[in-house]
Amino acid sequence: EDQVTQSPEALRLQEGESSSLNCSYTVSGLRGLFWYRQDPGKGPEFLFTLYSAGEEKEKERLKATLTKKESFLHITAPKPEDSATYLCAVQGDSNYQLIWGAGTKLIIKP
Amino acid sequence: SQTIHQWPATLVQPVGSPLSLECTVEGTSNPNLYWYRQAAGRGLQLLFYSVGIGQISSEVPQNLSASRPQDRQFILSSKKLLLSDSGFYLCAWSIDSSNQPQHFGDGTRLSIL
Repeated sequence: EDQVTQSPEALRLQEGESSSLNCSYTVSGLRGLFWYRQDPGKGPEFLFTLYSAGEEKEKERLKATLTKKESFLHITAPKPEDSATYLCAVQGDSNYQLIWGAGTKLIIKP
Repeated sequence: SQTIHQWPATLVQPVGSPLSLECTVEGTSNPNLYWYRQAAGRGLQLLFYSVGIGQISSEVPQNLSASRPQDRQFILSSKKLLLSDSGFYLCAWSIDSSNQPQHFGDGTRLSIL
């Protein structure tokens, strides 16, 4: 069964304190892994798509990496405005629909 | 550029009343359209998706239905709301079903009293 698990559930960091969020997945034939940012009361905002192991993508203070079993979202020197819930989703060969993780709530304290 | 509009932003309805949530997409043709429900602390649950006008697939049995009367319009409905229908409803679109990202509206917070 396709499955996505995100950890930790919540992460509190000081401004400037770098860290990583984890997305572990089990899927039959990965077609794509997606990272989103969601602010309270808003819809998810698309960040990255990763397609194959070894791939990396960057956007400002965020960098996403992918292996055959998990993806990491690295955040470097975060600022309070990076506070949000970060969602991970995968698409596999057996079902074209996205399988979603429950998200990691990131809080950056000034 | 493409935009997606979803309304209303919040809705309070009594049990047993009907429901109609609307979603429209601009700037693209023949998008795939999706309705999700998001419960607090849980992943997004796909309710319906559509690959074209009049083509609706349901992922889970429920009290809700969906329709796509026009290429870029997607409607979520219910004849009689239940308390369990409360939640955060999200509409999304994508270019196609094959490894393309989905793009979301700002959601509707539905409260059933």
